[in-house]
Amino acid sequence: AQSVAQPEDQVNVAEGNPLTVKCTYSVSGNPYLFWYVQYPNRGLQFLLKYITGDNLVKGSYGFEAEFNKSQTSFHLKKPSALVSDSALYFCAVSSGTYKYIFGTGTRLKVLA
Amino acid sequence: DADVTQTPRNRITKTGKRIMLECSQTKGHDRMYWYRQDPGLGLQLIYYSFDVKDINKGEISDGYSVSRQAQAKFSLSLESAIPNQTALYFCATSGPGQGVSPDTQYFGPGTRLTVL
Repeated sequence: AQSVAQPEDQVNVAEGNPLTVKCTYSVSGNPYLFWYVQYPNRGLQFLLKYITGDNLVKGSYGFEAEFNKSQTSFHLKKPSALVSDSALYFCAVSSGTYKYIFGTGTRLKVLA
Repeated sequence: DADVTQTPRNRITKTGKRIMLECSQTKGHDRMYWYRQDPGLGLQLIYYSFDVKDINKGEISDGYSVSRQAQAKFSLSLESAIPNQTALYFCATSGPGQGVSPDTQYFGPGTRLTVL
C-alpha cells in the first residue's frame, strides 16, 4: 500500500535562512512524487514533481526537492526563505495509477 | 487555478439536507477527482473519474455520490448531510501525459461546507 509521511506539523524558519520540509514515502514500484502548496482560502498549487532522472528537482518560486531512494525521502528545500513562503505544504505520492496519496501537510512559518 | 471552478464556494446546511457541489474545468482534461480536506488529515480521495463513463470510489466514498455529466463537469452529492461531513472540498483534474507518467493534478479553489 502507498503511504506518505510528513513528520512535522509545523516548521518555523527565519527569513533568509534555508528551509527544509520533510517527506518520506512508501510505494510499490517506482514512486512518482509531488509537492503542492496551499495558501489561505486557496486550492493547492503544484510546485514540483519527480518522475525519473536527476534526483534534484527544481520547481516554482525557487523551491527544489531531492529524491533519495535509499531513504525513501523527498524533502522540499529552499536556500533562502521568504515571509511570503508561509503556507501549508503537501507531499503526495503515486505509483503511476493517476491517483495520489497525500501527506497530512506541514505548515511553514517564515519569521521576519 | 481559474481553469478549475467550483460552486458554491461556501455553503451552510442542516443535517439531513441534500447538497450538490459542482466542478467545471476548461483544461480539456479527462480525469477528475473529488477530495475532502480536514485539519491534520490532509486530503482524502472521495471519488475519481477517468472519463465520462468511468466512475471509481476513493478512500472515503461512504455518504457521497458523484455524477460526471460531461468531460468538463463532475458533481459531488451528499444525499443526506451529517455534521462530520463538515470540511473543505476540492475538485482536481489531470490530463493525458507522456508515456506512463501520471499527470500533475490541478485544483479548484475549494468549497467550504458546514453541516449544522
